[in-house]
Amino acid sequence: GQSLEQPSEVTAVEGAIVQINCTYQTSGFYGLSWYQQHDGGAPTFLSYNALDGLEETGRFSSFLSRSDSYGYLLLQELQMKDSASYFCAVSANTNAGKSTFGDGTTLTVKP
Amino acid sequence: DAGVTQSPTHLIKTRGQQVTLRCSPKSGHDTVSWYQQALGQGPQFIFQYYEEEERQRGNFPDRFSGHQFPNYSSELNVNALLLGDSALYLCASSFPDPAPRGYTFGSGTRLTVV
Repeated sequence: GQSLEQPSEVTAVEGAIVQINCTYQTSGFYGLSWYQQHDGGAPTFLSYNALDGLEETGRFSSFLSRSDSYGYLLLQELQMKDSASYFCAVSANTNAGKSTFGDGTTLTVKP
Repeated sequence: DAGVTQSPTHLIKTRGQQVTLRCSPKSGHDTVSWYQQALGQGPQFIFQYYEEEERQRGNFPDRFSGHQFPNYSSELNVNALLLGDSALYLCASSFPDPAPRGYTFGSGTRLTVV
């Protein structure tokens, strides 16, 4: 099976940098994805890592260490609109079409 | 370019009833996955349809079934509803291997079973 762990809540101030960690357990790791979901809204794809290292997309970056079964999402220059839930999701090469999601991290950005 | 469209947006059903939820995928996507999201939790994979066939299934009972049509749209059916089926049901469209470019999710159907 697959399982993921991420902190339930994170709080930061506007303009700051925040890191949301995710550790996972899976057989046949294929890739780690990150999604953002505002209250009552649709999850939105942010990034994907299949290989070790950092992927940067604007203010958001995602990192993966396959040997540590660990990844993180880094949000820079935080804005109030970044307040949302962030989910990591893992896929395995035995069923790459399916993503298993963590329970999410609620990020609150304060003025 | 339309994204994923789900209907209805909200639904209230009585325990024991049956429900059908509908999804139209994003233009260009041919794969549809269904997820159940309980309050305060991450989406849980129900099943995935590709080429009108169920390609993968999560740990959900047979009361949950689906269908994909030739135009790639999909339905999720739930029979003999239980109170615990109350959740947000999300449809996600993608290419057959969704991981690299991710799913495109709809805004979901909020199902309440009373």
